[in-house]
Amino acid sequence: QQQVKQSPQSLIVQKGGISIINCAYENTAFDYFPWYQQFPGKGPALLIAIRPDVSEKKEGRFTISFNKSAKQFSLHIMDSQPGDSATYFCAAKNTGGFKTIFGAGTRLFVKA
Amino acid sequence: GAGVSQSPSNKVTEKGKDVELRCDPISGHTALYWYRQSLGQGLEFLIYFQGNSAPDKSGLPSDRFSAERTGGSVSTLTIQRTQQEDSAVYLCASSPAANSYEQYFGPGTRLTVT
Repeated sequence: QQQVKQSPQSLIVQKGGISIINCAYENTAFDYFPWYQQFPGKGPALLIAIRPDVSEKKEGRFTISFNKSAKQFSLHIMDSQPGDSATYFCAAKNTGGFKTIFGAGTRLFVKA
Repeated sequence: GAGVSQSPSNKVTEKGKDVELRCDPISGHTALYWYRQSLGQGLEFLIYFQGNSAPDKSGLPSDRFSAERTGGSVSTLTIQRTQQEDSAVYLCASSPAANSYEQYFGPGTRLTVT
């Protein structure tokens, strides 16, 4: 119940295309859903996050879509660029808890 | 300001040796986490410190693993009698408070056990 399932494991997208990464969760107590971006040799860094009271959040080329009834959320990267090539982790957390549950990660490669 | 720093950045050790990994969190952050990231894998929670409270050690994989946090700041993760399966990147993260949502990660220590 504490798991966050992430797919795909890896993704190759042409420059200018849309990258889509999906995540699903079971625990309805989760109320914060961040996405972290990790470049090789670096630690993960917060990219964008959403709370379940909204269905979509957009920051620049990055959009989170959230489906509360399906317990699913996804990251869309519009106009994908080679500089977006990284590993992306979805995650979930609940208020009052200290633990953030991370998905297994998606390795994105954007071809120039 | 300065982010989370970790040292060493790389550590190669022989099987059976003990290793110590260090984490310097962001100044003023009371919460500190250790994670393990194996090749191509996600983030495995190891241990959590919050202020002066007893740490949550529920993620430590065996009694060879231990961690301490001195003075509510610097933390050390110790792995005794290292095994080859301990080879991974060990990440440290800190947060401003116990229930903060965002975690700030260090660059990690890549541990290789030969």
